[in-house]
Amino acid sequence: EDQVTQSPEALRLQEGESSSLNCSYTVSGLRGLFWYRQDPGKGPEFLFTLYSAGEEKEKERLKATLTKKESFLHITAPKPEDSATYLCAVQAAENYGQNFVFGPGTRLSVLP
Amino acid sequence: DAGVTQSPTHLIKTRGQQVTLRCSPKSGHDTVSWYQQALGQGPQFIFQYYEEEERQRGNFPDRFSGHQFPNYSSELNVNALLLGDSALYLCASSRTLGSAGYYGYTFGSGTRLTVV
Repeated sequence: EDQVTQSPEALRLQEGESSSLNCSYTVSGLRGLFWYRQDPGKGPEFLFTLYSAGEEKEKERLKATLTKKESFLHITAPKPEDSATYLCAVQAAENYGQNFVFGPGTRLSVLP
Repeated sequence: DAGVTQSPTHLIKTRGQQVTLRCSPKSGHDTVSWYQQALGQGPQFIFQYYEEEERQRGNFPDRFSGHQFPNYSSELNVNALLLGDSALYLCASSRTLGSAGYYGYTFGSGTRLTVV
């Protein structure tokens, strides 16, 4: 069974204090790993897709990396507006075009 | 450009009742997926519709059913509501079957269902 775990469950940072969020996964053939951001009362917002080990993607203060067992979301010099829940999801190769398996998310709070 | 729209935004129902949730996909998208998100959890896949057919289903009982219309909009129906059905129900659309793996889903803001 495909599974995704995320750590830590919650993270509080001071503005400018860089850190990383972890996503560990087990899947029968990874087709893609996805990062989403979710603000309270909103649906998830797509950030990145990673397909193979060693791949990296960047967007503003966020950088996502992928290994064969886990992915990291690095946040450099975060700002209060980066506060949100960050969700990781995987798509198995046999589920092409279909469902994603999401982790429980990491709740990030960035204090001014 | 309107994104994914869902209605209603909030709903309170009694155990045993039936509920219908509605979703209009983003313009240009023809594939709709439904997810259930319990408080403090990640979204869990319910089912996906493409060309008015259910293409895949997650681990949800038959009390959960859906429909897709020719204009690509979709409905999620839940019968015989249980307290455990209380959750945020998210609709996600994508350009076509398979494209979510490249471009990601576009999610709506969800319908918050409370069963009392």
